[in-house]
Amino acid sequence: RKEVEQDPGPFNVPEGATVAFNCTYSNSASQSFFWYRQDCRKEPKLLMSVYSSGNEDGRFTAQLNRASQYISLLIRDSKLSDSATYLCVVNPSGTYKYIFGTGTRLKVLA
Amino acid sequence: NAGVTQTPKFQVLKTGQSMTLQCAQDMNHEYMSWYRQDPGMGLRLIHYSVGAGITDQGEVPNGYNVSRSTTEDFPLRLLSAAPSQTSVYFCASRRDSASNEQFFGPGTRLTVL
Repeated sequence: RKEVEQDPGPFNVPEGATVAFNCTYSNSASQSFFWYRQDCRKEPKLLMSVYSSGNEDGRFTAQLNRASQYISLLIRDSKLSDSATYLCVVNPSGTYKYIFGTGTRLKVLA
Repeated sequence: NAGVTQTPKFQVLKTGQSMTLQCAQDMNHEYMSWYRQDPGMGLRLIHYSVGAGITDQGEVPNGYNVSRSTTEDFPLRLLSAAPSQTSVYFCASRRDSASNEQFFGPGTRLTVL
């Protein structure tokens, strides 16, 4: 089983739609969680950290479910510019290592 | 600030050749890392450094060497290139252990023939 698993997609959604991605992780000792965004042929960039209490940044909401070992990302009112690959990243407790999922590809259609 | 810079952007090597991928950051970050990204796989950690003079192996270190003589620079050396090292290589930096955000360079696309 992979340490971090994501549905690769693509998720094709119309502009204005709400879309959600999940990511599961296998190491229950994982401490920190993140969503990164990666545009085609570009470097990953931090979208948001994921806190136990959940957090929201504009149209984006991230949640953590430790009991079921998954994190989620919800995007409301999708824009064309949201088209990208979203990477789930997990940092096991006490390690420097950041473990990346393979990413979920989102295409927002006009 | 230029952030994290990498050179070259593209490189083609023949099997057996050696080369160095350059990475520099001007943010005075302690932590630096090298990742490779291959289709269908997440970014995998090759080597990392938690400060000048300190390096350690990541998940896939074989065939690569690193050094960290200064805070700013973290070059990655391919000793004898193999086709399996065809990949996109990203360098990343992080301020310190208390900081979560990693900043990535633009990447180097390497093809080994």
